[in-house]
Amino acid sequence: GESVGLHLPTLSVQEGDNSIINCAYSNSASDYFIWYKQESGKGPQFIIDIRSNMDKRQGQRVTVLLNKTVKHLSLQIAATQPGDSAVYFCAENGGSQGNLIFGKGTKLSVKP
Amino acid sequence: EAQVTQNPRYLITVTGKKLTVTCSQNMNHEYMSWYRQDPGLGLRQIYYSMNVEVTDKGDVPEGYKVSRKEKRNFPLILESPSPNQTSLYFCASSWEANTEAFFGQGTRLTVV
Repeated sequence: GESVGLHLPTLSVQEGDNSIINCAYSNSASDYFIWYKQESGKGPQFIIDIRSNMDKRQGQRVTVLLNKTVKHLSLQIAATQPGDSAVYFCAENGGSQGNLIFGKGTKLSVKP
Repeated sequence: EAQVTQNPRYLITVTGKKLTVTCSQNMNHEYMSWYRQDPGLGLRQIYYSMNVEVTDKGDVPEGYKVSRKEKRNFPLILESPSPNQTSLYFCASSWEANTEAFFGQGTRLTVV
């Protein structure tokens, strides 16, 4: 629950503004990336994914950008709403067994 | 509804008393895994299973056991819990190791 958000970088935005959450991934061989949203007291939920043959992918109100040159991933949320308040973290398929490795996350706080 | 179900959601136990956290998925996924989530450390993989009767250690396997006798179930066993295993635990399933993982709701374990 709430303890997940402790010690995490926090992004505070006004309702209606756009949010940008960043992630630096570790393995240059990773070719699949996912953004997850974790609300307080819940398990992580899939938001959007992207493969390394793309540099941008759009969903409903969300866009993921991938910069392979600098190993950077970002999640853009348009018109942020109070329901978007959560911890967001990225994942890459760069584990030694090809498994997913998860970032530590960013806490998004939306002010009404 | 596609889901991963963990039980119990909350558990308080004493040091040394064996416990099992159950996990079941209804998506016919072959790959299942257990994670623990601690403040500042993110999700760390404990054990994973690529199919029935195939299990292997993740990044933090000490003090844990798992079994995969059926495709849908992947219980996590703590033979002799210790206070440093107090954490939030998540079970996840996916088609393969490097594809989108579906998470359970989590089990908050406290060992006193």
